[in-house]
Amino acid sequence: QLVLTQSPSASASLGTSVRLTCTLSSGHRNFVIAWHQQHPQKGPRYLMKVNSDGTHIKGDGIPDRFSGASSGAERYLTISSLQSEDEADYYCQTWGTDVQVFGGGTKLTVL
Amino acid sequence: EVQLLQSGGGLVQPGGSLTLSCAVSGFTFNSHALNWVRQAPGKGLEWVSTISGSGATTYYADSVKGRSTISRDSSKNTLYLQMNGLRAEDTAVYYCAKSSPFDILTNFDYWGQGTLVTVSS
Repeated sequence: QLVLTQSPSASASLGTSVRLTCTLSSGHRNFVIAWHQQHPQKGPRYLMKVNSDGTHIKGDGIPDRFSGASSGAERYLTISSLQSEDEADYYCQTWGTDVQVFGGGTKLTVL
Repeated sequence: EVQLLQSGGGLVQPGGSLTLSCAVSGFTFNSHALNWVRQAPGKGLEWVSTISGSGATTYYADSVKGRSTISRDSSKNTLYLQMNGLRAEDTAVYYCAKSSPFDILTNFDYWGQGTLVTVSS
């Protein structure tokens, strides 16, 4: 079964960096994933697609502070030079032959 | 500029029906799959349904299969989700989302603003 696992919460201080992790279920370690950001009471925003080799393709207008990487079954979203507006929920998304799947989301707090 | 403008939603009684709409612009309508995603209060995102650019292929989450129908009208550049037999657990904000090019099942790259569906007596 295709499942994405995310830690429920993360925190980091203003101006520092944070890495969020999305883990693919067994047998799916080569899957591509996408990252989306969602501020409270707002619709999600597409950030980037991350391939199994770590290459990533960002969405329109996404700052260079946001980057993606991969290692095995893990896909990462790194945010550098954290700003207050980065405080949000972050979801990973993937897809199978007849299904789309979201991770449970990580709530990022900027201290 | 890509835009997805949603309408519909509201309060509906259990067992009732509702149709959501999503008017899109800023891209070639028939070239991209479109999707519905929902978010129950305080919960995460849940994929609901996907339709191919041509409209010939559709996919549904098990939670709505048999109760919902996704469709699209190229003459109006609009995506629809018709929901029947609504249950309390269908209460959520519903988002439409555009897929990236080439594949039906792929990442979403633009989202609508969301519309609230409340199922309650």
